[in-house]
Amino acid sequence: DQQVKQNSPSLSVQEGRISILNCDYTNSMFDYFLWYKKYPAEGPTFLISISSIKDKNEDGRFTVFLNKSAKHLSLHIVPSQPGDSAVYFCAAGGAGSYQLTFGKGTKLSVIP
Amino acid sequence: GAGVSQSPSNKVTEKGKDVELRCDPISGHTALYWYRQSLGQGLEFLIYFQGNSAPDKSGLPSDRFSAERTGGSVSTLTIQRTQQEDSAVYLCATDPGGMNTEAFFGQGTRLTVV
Repeated sequence: DQQVKQNSPSLSVQEGRISILNCDYTNSMFDYFLWYKKYPAEGPTFLISISSIKDKNEDGRFTVFLNKSAKHLSLHIVPSQPGDSAVYFCAAGGAGSYQLTFGKGTKLSVIP
Repeated sequence: GAGVSQSPSNKVTEKGKDVELRCDPISGHTALYWYRQSLGQGLEFLIYFQGNSAPDKSGLPSDRFSAERTGGSVSTLTIQRTQQEDSAVYLCATDPGGMNTEAFFGQGTRLTVV
C-alpha cells in the first residue's frame, strides 16, 4: 500500500520551460514533505521541503506547492536547465512517526 | 566522515553466495533507512531503524534479507543466497531522528549478481 505516489515515471521538458513534478499521498497525518534529487551513480540529495502549515515554499528556481485538501504536492522548476535532469523523489513525514516515506521517483529530462 | 558512507561501492557476486553491505551513518543520527533501486525502477523501502525501537522490517522482500544496526551506529544489510533479481543499487540514508528533518543518503552500493 503506497502512501506516497509519484504517478509519472518520467517527464521531458524543453530547456527554459517550467517542469512540474507531482506527488500524491494518502495519509492525512503527514505534515512534512520533502523533495530529493538523484543523479546517476550518486545518492539522492535533499532539495526543498515544506511544512503542512504552509502551502508554498520557494528556493530560487524551485517552488513546492502543497494542497492539503487534495493530498497533493508539486515541485515547480522555473526555468528548467539541462543540469536539472535527474530523478526526483517526493517524501513525506510526520503521522506520529519520525519515519520518512518516499515515492518511487520521476525521471526528469530537460532537453537543450 | 561528514556524510553517510557505504561500502563497498560496487559488489559483484555469484548467484547463491551471501553478501554484506555496510552503512556508516552521520554521527549522532539515530534514524537509518535502507532502500534499493533496481534498474529503471524507483526507490523501494527495505527497513528502518530508529534509536532503540524495534525496526520496521515491512519492506524486506524475503527472508533472505536481514539487517542489523549495532550500537545504534553502523548498519549491515545481509542478503543470503543471492539471486539475479537482487541486482540493484542499495542506498542507505540517515537522519537525526527528530520530527521534520531531512534524511541524508550515502552514494549507494551497486550489487550485481551473476
